Amino acid sequence: RKEVEQDPGPFNVPEGATVAFNCTYSNSASQSFFWYRQDCRKEPKLLMSVYSSGNEDGRFTAQLNRASQYISLLIRDSKLSDSATYLCVVPKESGYALNFGKGTSLLVTP
Amino acid sequence: DTGVSQNPRHKITKRGQNVTFRCDPISEHNRLYWYRQTLGQGPEFLTYFQNEAQLEKSRLLSDRFSAERPKGSFSTLEIQRTEQGDSAMYLCASSLGLGAYNEQFFGPGTRLTVL
Repeated sequence: RKEVEQDPGPFNVPEGATVAFNCTYSNSASQSFFWYRQDCRKEPKLLMSVYSSGNEDGRFTAQLNRASQYISLLIRDSKLSDSATYLCVVPKESGYALNFGKGTSLLVTP
Repeated sequence: DTGVSQNPRHKITKRGQNVTFRCDPISEHNRLYWYRQTLGQGPEFLTYFQNEAQLEKSRLLSDRFSAERPKGSFSTLEIQRTEQGDSAMYLCASSLGLGAYNEQFFGPGTRLTVL
């Protein structure tokens, strides 16, 4: 299994839709997980951190299933401004640098 | 602007030439990271500094690549004898390392094109 795997998409959804992205990881010892957002030709920026079973921030919910080594990101009531690439991120075994998935592309249409 | 800065933003070079990139982290951040990103891929880790010490290097960092952070502040990444496969976005990130993991803040990147 690759260190971090994501469905690359693209996901094309209408405004107001709910969309979910999935991610699997190989390092069973990982204690923290992250979703980063990357806009086209811009740098990645932290969207959410996940340290226990899940985290919710407004329209965004991240869930963690340690037994299945699976992380998800749910976006409710999608906005045009949510269009971006969402990167699933797991710290490397050293604990400092990050392993990024390839990213899932989301396009929210009017 | 007090974020991470990188220079140059774009670099076009001919195969075989040497290039050097600079990263200025957020001023109080003691940890600095270099990543490389190619089209359609997530960033790939290259190397990591804590203060001036280079503590981790990826096997992606061939002998042609060298990174320094001489005074624990800015860092440079040099690529010698560039190859077309080196064309990528080179991203620098920094964090304030008080524990095992702290949020990494990324710079805008240096886009390298090797002709």
